[in-house]
Amino acid sequence: KQEVTQIPAALSVPEGENLVLNCSFTDSAIYNLQWFRQDPGKGLTSLLLIQSSQREQTSGRLNASLDKSSGRSTLYIAASQPGDSATYLCAVVPGAQKLVFGQGTRLTINP
Amino acid sequence: EAQVTQNPRYLITVTGKKLTVTCSQNMNHEYMSWYRQDPGLGLRQIYYSMNVEVTDKGDVPEGYKVSRKEKRNFPLILESPSPNQTSLYFCASSPLAGAETQYFGPGTRLLVL
Repeated sequence: KQEVTQIPAALSVPEGENLVLNCSFTDSAIYNLQWFRQDPGKGLTSLLLIQSSQREQTSGRLNASLDKSSGRSTLYIAASQPGDSATYLCAVVPGAQKLVFGQGTRLTINP
Repeated sequence: EAQVTQNPRYLITVTGKKLTVTCSQNMNHEYMSWYRQDPGLGLRQIYYSMNVEVTDKGDVPEGYKVSRKEKRNFPLILESPSPNQTSLYFCASSPLAGAETQYFGPGTRLLVL
C-alpha cells in the first residue's frame, strides 16, 4: 500500500529565505507526483505536476524535483514571501484512479 | 472561469437525515472524484468516476453513494449520516484520470450531530 510522508509537519521561517519541503513515498511505481497548496477555508490549488519520467518542474519561484528510485520529492521555494504561508501537500498517483496524499507541511513566513 | 463548484459550503445536520452535496465542473473533464479530509488522517478518496455512468469505490466508501448521470455533475449522497462522517469534503476533476493535474472545489464542511 502506497504511503506518503511529509517532513516537517510545520515550518516557520523569516521572509526572504529559500526553503525546502520534503515528501517521501513507499512505492516507486507512480504515474506522477503533484504538489498542492491549501489555504485555510479554501480548496487545494495545484502548484506543480511531475510526470514519472521527469526529474523536475519549475513554476516561478517554485521548483519541484522527483527521484522515483529513492521515493523522494522536494519542493523548493525561493525568496519566500508572507503570501506563501499555507499548507503544502504532496500527492502521488499510484494508479489511474486516485491521489494518495501526505499529511502536509504547514508553512509560515514571518515578515 | 474554469472551476469546480460545491454546494453547500457549510452544513450542519442531524444523524439519519439524508443529504446531498453537489459538485459541478465546467471544464468538460472526464474524471471526477470525492475526498474527505480529517485531522491526522489527511485526504482520503471516497468515490471516483472515470466517465458518465462509470463510478467506483475509493478507500473509504462506506456510508456514501454517488451518481454520474451527466459529465459535469457528480453529487455525493449520504443516505443516513452519522457523526463519524463529520469532515471536510472536496470534489475534484481532471481531463483524464491519473496523468493530469486535478482541480479541486472549495470544500464542504459538514457537521453531523
